[in-house]
Amino acid sequence: SQTIHQWPATLVQPVGSPLSLECTVEGTSNPNLYWYRQAAGRGLQLLFYSVGIGQISSEVPQNLSASRPQDRQFILSSKKLLLSDSGFYLCAWSVDSLYGYTFGSGTRLTVV
Amino acid sequence: AQSVAQPEDQVNVAEGNPLTVKCTYSVSGNPYLFWYVQYPNRGLQFLLKYITGDNLVKGSYGFEAEFNKSQTSFHLKKPSALVSDSALYFCAVRVLTGGFKTIFGAGTRLFVKA
Repeated sequence: SQTIHQWPATLVQPVGSPLSLECTVEGTSNPNLYWYRQAAGRGLQLLFYSVGIGQISSEVPQNLSASRPQDRQFILSSKKLLLSDSGFYLCAWSVDSLYGYTFGSGTRLTVV
Repeated sequence: AQSVAQPEDQVNVAEGNPLTVKCTYSVSGNPYLFWYVQYPNRGLQFLLKYITGDNLVKGSYGFEAEFNKSQTSFHLKKPSALVSDSALYFCAVRVLTGGFKTIFGAGTRLFVKA
């Protein structure tokens, strides 16, 4: 069966520090991968998506970047965190968006 | 612009009563619609989807949703609410904008009171 792992679950980082959040998928090949941010426990904002290794599409200009070094690995990064980067970050995968998404358990990032 | 809207920030129902969480959409072409549920500090879980076929779609945990093309709506329903149904519910629609992506509504918080 397919599973998605996302870590860490919580993270507190000082302003200006780097960030690396990792997401891995098991039990499937060539998944579409997504990073979302959820602010204030409400709506989801699509940050990045990837349809293959090394292929990253950015939805909004921001302080973050994403990489896909392996087929089932998706990394969200920042060189210098801002206070506004605080939020709940969700990774998701799908084989085809027709079938819906499977989400990871999320990372709550607090920038202080 | 292609979009999905959830007009209610919060829905309150008593346990045992029917519940409805509203969703409307605006897309080009045929709509592909989804409902997800999120419990506190967790990721979203898929509930159900409409791709084609019967307008009434049945999903997990006794939920169902009715697709109404003329009203461009996809409301989530359950005949008898449970306290454990209290959560944040998201409607989503697949859109085609230089590739297929899914956009989510702002979410509706459901409170079921015992």
